[in-house]
Amino acid sequence: QITLKESGPTLVRPTQTLTLTCTFSGFSLYTGGVGVGWIRQPPGKALEWLALIYWDDGKRYSPSLRSRLTITKDTSRNQVVLTMTDMDPVDTGTYYCAHRGMVADTVITFDYWGQGTLVTVSS
Amino acid sequence: QSVLTQPPSASATPGQRVTISCSGSSPNFRHNTVNWYQQLPGMAPKLLIFATDQRPSGVPDRFSGSKSGASASLAISGLQSDDEADYYCAAWDDSLNGHWVFGGGTKLTVL
Repeated sequence: QITLKESGPTLVRPTQTLTLTCTFSGFSLYTGGVGVGWIRQPPGKALEWLALIYWDDGKRYSPSLRSRLTITKDTSRNQVVLTMTDMDPVDTGTYYCAHRGMVADTVITFDYWGQGTLVTVSS
Repeated sequence: QSVLTQPPSASATPGQRVTISCSGSSPNFRHNTVNWYQQLPGMAPKLLIFATDQRPSGVPDRFSGSKSGASASLAISGLQSDDEADYYCAAWDDSLNGHWVFGGGTKLTVL
């Protein structure tokens, strides 16, 4: 059974750096083809993809947020960490982590999601 | 950065069939597959369709996906009241070192 859970601060001040941790179970980042991504959702708005890290430490970032994002993994601890610098009130929203895996030769991206964590950016 | 365009809203009555479209601006969209996600109010998104037309286990066959050229579609047949949700398409874009793109979402109302 695959589960993911996000953790981190609920309130961040403008200009601060946000650090979120995704702790997962039921799969391993030692396994080929596996990845973990981050997606966020401002209140009442659409989903926005942020970043994805693969089992081989490959990383992909949203082009519009690339300069502010860093994604890393601790494979032995089953954790993926996302940092976002220079936080602004427009970054307020629910942040989700999600699993990327494979069935046979087919990639399935974001088939399991965490419950999300609400981050508010305010002074 | 590419854009996936969805209608902001759709509606239908129980038992009807409804289709939600997703149009891609990037040339890559024509060649890549599409995922669809359902988000019930206050919940995390749920994968409905992957690889354009594949259903994960547990997703009813009332949900189907298709794609033609630069446009993808999600069809829901035998509409039920608990299908009322936001629906998002998503696709990989190979440009700019590769990135995922989500559509703006469609709010489905079951009348």
